[in-house]
Amino acid sequence: EVQLLESGGGLVQPGGSLRLSCAASGFTFSNYGMSWVRQAPGKGLEWVSTVSGSGSSTSYADSVKGRFTISRDNSKNTVYLQMNSLRVEDTAVYYCVKEGRDTNSWYNYWGQGTLVTVSS
Amino acid sequence: QLVLTQSPSASASLGASVKLTCTLSSGHSSYAIAWHQQQPEKGPRYLMKLNSDGSHSKGDGIPDRFSGSRSGAERYLTISSLQSEDEADYYCQTWGTGIQVFGGGTKLTVL
Repeated sequence: EVQLLESGGGLVQPGGSLRLSCAASGFTFSNYGMSWVRQAPGKGLEWVSTVSGSGSSTSYADSVKGRFTISRDNSKNTVYLQMNSLRVEDTAVYYCVKEGRDTNSWYNYWGQGTLVTVSS
Repeated sequence: QLVLTQSPSASASLGASVKLTCTLSSGHSSYAIAWHQQQPEKGPRYLMKLNSDGSHSKGDGIPDRFSGSRSGAERYLTISSLQSEDEADYYCQTWGTGIQVFGGGTKLTVL
């Protein structure tokens, strides 16, 4: 059974930093791309970032480019999202998502999400 | 620019069928998409991948009441024999090199 368990969310002041983690199990982790998708309160889904199975390729939404960094540790079956220079508009539930193949593909499993609140 | 367009809302009666639409932007009519369901106060759940030829593959445990189809740039999600638990937000998703795109979502109300 595929499981994705996010952690690391919380309250942070504008300009601050936070690192999210997502522990994966139930599949061969290194074979699949992984993404972070967020959902602001009352809003729709917004893609944030993707990392390929090997970790060699990454991509970012323009709204987070230069501030967020995605990475993965295939020995720990974990994907990370380092978030710096946080803004109020980054407030959202952040979901860890598994892709259907190595990269550039559909999402076929979602985590339960972790809430990030950016406020003074 | 790769864009997905969905109607903000839809409604249908308990036991009836409903067809939700997701439209691909001009020049992208051959793209595959995926459908996801988000019930109130829950995280999203993958429903199915809908290929450009109209074939689809569903996620684990998705009932036969859910099906997908296409016509040109439009991609459809049909839910038959509507149940109360089908009341949810439905999102379509597509992808390209280095980019993922979501539609704005359709809020389905079961009357």
